[in-house]
Amino acid sequence: SQQGEEDPQALSIQEGENATMNCSYKTSINNLQWYRQNSGRGLVHLILIRSNEREKHSGRLRVTLDTSKKSSSLLITASRAADTASYFCATDSRILTGGGNKLTFGTGTQLKVEL
Amino acid sequence: DVKVTQSSRYLVKRTGEKVFLECVQDMDHENMFWYRQDPGLGLRLIYFSYDVKMKEKGDIPEGYSVSREKKERFSLILESASTNQTSMYLCASSLPRVSTYEQYFGPGTRLTVT
Repeated sequence: SQQGEEDPQALSIQEGENATMNCSYKTSINNLQWYRQNSGRGLVHLILIRSNEREKHSGRLRVTLDTSKKSSSLLITASRAADTASYFCATDSRILTGGGNKLTFGTGTQLKVEL
Repeated sequence: DVKVTQSSRYLVKRTGEKVFLECVQDMDHENMFWYRQDPGLGLRLIYFSYDVKMKEKGDIPEGYSVSREKKERFSLILESASTNQTSMYLCASSLPRVSTYEQYFGPGTRLTVT
């Protein structure tokens, strides 16, 4: 089963509006990351939030983390057409041999920002 | 900038063929990963490698093998391609820091097995 589940699966908004995506997970984590994927391309890291952090900002991105509810949200403010992409949360579930964490990705939210 | 490249963007192979997918990273990262991405299933880890010649199975290793002879290169091998291996394959690399790190992804290879 997927560790991370994003909600909604798809979101369509007008340029200038805010977009909020949610992620729920099942087991305890060290950190949670959000990635963006433009159509048919690889993933690009957006932001990482540690388990002892509740909120983090990066430009127009705001991420919150509620470990008691095992959930996170990604807010994109003042959206632009260029924000059209799929967004994935990724949680680390175990330490890998040799160092580094195994990331488990959710199924993603498809965001469409219309002009 | 970290760059992860994959040998092909699109690949069409026949059932039973042996398929090689190549990935190269230029940032001297110890960790490298192979995922497949399917609609509704997200990304699933096939194999990862934490050093040259070192590898471990991910969540769905069946039907796949890997090779890492040089630090910068990680190959995914489909020994006998089957139609259920039609998918988008993504390679990634990262440093081995335990708590705070990100993975850098290549552009992906869309493989179709007919």
